[in-house]
Amino acid sequence: EAGVAQSPRYKIIEKRQSVAFWCNPISGHATLYWYQQILGQGPKLLIQFQNNGVVDDSQLPKDRFSAERLKGVDSTLKIQPAKLEDSAVYLCASSGLAGGLNTQYFGPGTRLTVL
Amino acid sequence: AQSVTQPDIHITVSEGASLELRCNYSYGATPYLFWYVQSPGQGLQLLLKYFSGDTLVQGIKGFEAEFKRSQSSFNLRKPSVHWSDAAEYFCAVGKGAGNMLTFGGGTRLMVKP
Repeated sequence: EAGVAQSPRYKIIEKRQSVAFWCNPISGHATLYWYQQILGQGPKLLIQFQNNGVVDDSQLPKDRFSAERLKGVDSTLKIQPAKLEDSAVYLCASSGLAGGLNTQYFGPGTRLTVL
Repeated sequence: AQSVTQPDIHITVSEGASLELRCNYSYGATPYLFWYVQSPGQGLQLLLKYFSGDTLVQGIKGFEAEFKRSQSSFNLRKPSVHWSDAAEYFCAVGKGAGNMLTFGGGTRLMVKP
């Protein structure tokens, strides 16, 4: 079974530029999550999708961050414009059961550096 | 709001020695608890999880964890550490049925030969 795929693996941009990350979850997984992991900290949930609907985005900085999962499969997270403090690893995870007991499986992450 | 505390930021143990990583959580209802491991440049890999039932949970790679409700703890243990166990370990609590994880700050494990 293929795991969660993310691209790119690394990205370096200047502040005020835009950037997008892509995630393809495990086949058949209805729930998809985006996390931000700042160096030296644990991951922090940004947004959770159930199929193509948003379950929770309370910790997403909506003035600059946006995410979509239009067809209920893969997802894109965008930052526009980026700030220095957005430097982090962005992790995507997916889980299989809608609302039931489930386990999140994580992708390798995208390491973003904002200069 | 739920929270997770991992009191030890760094731990160094000798290869072959036993290991215990501490995790304390705060959550108003029945917690769903997880331990993940993250090797450099890798994503998070699930070691074990507790949803209900037996409070001693067995995981992969020889790890186990014990849920103690009275102490709000979910400590991770391994009887004999291998050099390949060097990594960062994260404890997490799920808000309802394993969704919406809140992670602790992590414990970095170093293994001495």
